Amino acid sequence: GAVVSQHPSWVICKSGTSVKIECRSLDFQATTMFWYRQFPKQSLMLMATSNEGSKATYEQGVEKDKFLINHASLTLSTLTVTSAHPEDSSFYICSATLGLAGANQETQYFGPGTRLLVL
Amino acid sequence: DAKTTQPTSMDCAEGRAANLPCNHSTISGNEYVYWYRQIHSQGPQYIIHGLKNNETNEMASLIITEDRKSSTLILPHATLRDTAVYYCIVRDLNAGNNRKLIWGLGTSLAVNP
Repeated sequence: GAVVSQHPSWVICKSGTSVKIECRSLDFQATTMFWYRQFPKQSLMLMATSNEGSKATYEQGVEKDKFLINHASLTLSTLTVTSAHPEDSSFYICSATLGLAGANQETQYFGPGTRLLVL
Repeated sequence: DAKTTQPTSMDCAEGRAANLPCNHSTISGNEYVYWYRQIHSQGPQYIIHGLKNNETNEMASLIITEDRKSSTLILPHATLRDTAVYYCIVRDLNAGNNRKLIWGLGTSLAVNP
């Protein structure tokens, strides 16, 4: 149980284009999803927290107009990197929780990640 | 959330127990200890969590000291597939809507044949 998928697993795009990454919870309903970015040899950096049906909460320094997040259902959140630049090349990872109170429900389950390369 | 301190890297022989320490000396009474690991080029994987008591599941055991200022993750019989970066994270579940995890650099565990 608690499986999270991401699509695509990797993507190469030209500078200036937009890329959409999907994150799905396959066997549970996720009221809260998180988007992370990870550069080589660095730890995960949280970009934003999204709750189903409401606007995402972005971390300081993350441009909300550049990284559009939509969490329209309890099983799907999308991250769109708009007008991508080479410096946006990174490993993007999503996670999901049940969002309820309690330690078990707070556990984050992660997707396999999406590697983005912007040329 | 309290900060954690972990060794940068560790080695372990295949088949032996891997004991990964974590120091969280400023942990508060409401904060849980979570362990995740990340195999190279994959998303992190949840391992185990605990508050006060020792915990065991199919993946690992978590030993928390009585004063809760440190803990040890034990992989009882390490395999080559356990080679990964292991993250120890503490967080307060009473922090309202602040559900974010603060990730350090973790411990890079190398299991050797």
